[in-house]
Amino acid sequence: GAGVSQSPSNKVTEKGKDVELRCDPISGHTALYWYRQSLGQGLEFLIYFQGNSAPDKSGLPSDRFSAERTGGSVSTLTIQRTQQEDSAVYLCASSLRTSQHRELFFGEGSRLTVL
Amino acid sequence: KQEVTQIPAALSVPEGENLVLNCSFTDSAIYNLQWFRQDPGKGLTSLLLIQSSQREQTSGRLNASLDKSSGRSTLYIAASQPGDSATYLCAVRITQGGSEKLVFGKGTKLTVNP
Repeated sequence: GAGVSQSPSNKVTEKGKDVELRCDPISGHTALYWYRQSLGQGLEFLIYFQGNSAPDKSGLPSDRFSAERTGGSVSTLTIQRTQQEDSAVYLCASSLRTSQHRELFFGEGSRLTVL
Repeated sequence: KQEVTQIPAALSVPEGENLVLNCSFTDSAIYNLQWFRQDPGKGLTSLLLIQSSQREQTSGRLNASLDKSSGRSTLYIAASQPGDSATYLCAVRITQGGSEKLVFGKGTKLTVNP
């Protein structure tokens, strides 16, 4: 696609429910990242994918958070048993790792509200 | 641990003024540095990317400089316009083993008044 696409753009859920957030990176981009942006906070790194593997999951805040990537393209971030503190904007980004510049391109984000 | 700081946190200027946004980082072992713009409720738009071996990059009214040894970067905006109002984020790319990631500052919120 022309850019990084994320869905849903907005999600309101009740505490304790599971949610799935989807990211479609730019076609051909091998590197994919998930970040979280909470109100008044900076961007917090969650996970990095190179192809389908995730060499760095160090930013996932708890075992309720997981992510996968299939076919070297689409990624899904899953949050189980959501808590109110999970409310944030979840941003996905991709880059072409073989590029010297490795410029990162972001999607518009998925805004999650946990009631 | 790499930390990125942006000063000031907020800035308000009249239209037409030239301005400088500052970014500092604690570890000079970076691959590159990228400046982004974020409008309210939107994602991040890449403005400029400076490789670690470069000193500056320019795009239109924007000029970004990098002094890796001192851990500093500046974003210069010439002849500011109300449409430049946004939050500007600085990020450094670091590599650790098989991983790569951007470490972000908390941003400078810029308001350009007509």
